[in-house]
Amino acid sequence: GQQVMQIPQYQHVQEGEDFTTYCNSSTTLSNIQWYKQRPGGHPVFLIQLVKSGEVKKQKRLTFQFGEAKKNSSLHITATQTTDVGTYFCAGRSGGYNKLIFGAGTRLAVHP
Amino acid sequence: DGGITQSPKYLFRKEGQNVTLSCEQNLNHDAMYWYRQDPGQGLRLIYYSQIVNDFQKGDIAEGYSVSREKKESFPLTVTSAQKNPTAFYLCASPKEAGDQNTEAFFGQGTRLTVV
Repeated sequence: GQQVMQIPQYQHVQEGEDFTTYCNSSTTLSNIQWYKQRPGGHPVFLIQLVKSGEVKKQKRLTFQFGEAKKNSSLHITATQTTDVGTYFCAGRSGGYNKLIFGAGTRLAVHP
Repeated sequence: DGGITQSPKYLFRKEGQNVTLSCEQNLNHDAMYWYRQDPGQGLRLIYYSQIVNDFQKGDIAEGYSVSREKKESFPLTVTSAQKNPTAFYLCASPKEAGDQNTEAFFGQGTRLTVV
């Protein structure tokens, strides 16, 4: 069945350092979404990518969708303590009518 | 205001008991999902429903049951057959638009503990 894998599982950075999390799907995705879950909270939608090779930016966050639509990345420039949380990718491929999440990358930022 | 409402926020269950988690949405979305999250883990799909009166098993459906009699409601029952039910349960509703998902809205979650 469809699988979405995400690495790393955990990353610890000093404030001001950059951070990247990677997402890989076993199948071609129709789109990919990214969510952030703060400690003790629920996932909150960040962005959706649809087109092959698409790149979107939100302030210090850069999201990319691979050319083959099977992988994606989220890059945070100059992390801040407010970036702390778990970042999830989620995707759905055409043959599967369900939204599948990656395992998430937990980001810790030390001041 | 619009959104997903889960209740209760905390739930304690004795071993051998069935419990039902509530999920209600007023977003007028067709699709609703249940996920399970264990400490430090990702979201695993339990059941999902793309339309009223229809639902499908997710990746970890054993020991759980659902119903979708109304568009607004998608309750999840954790049965005594679920051997390790202690977890954080999240209900979500994606806004479907043809073959494309748009964002999924999540409830605040229910934290279930077996005592």
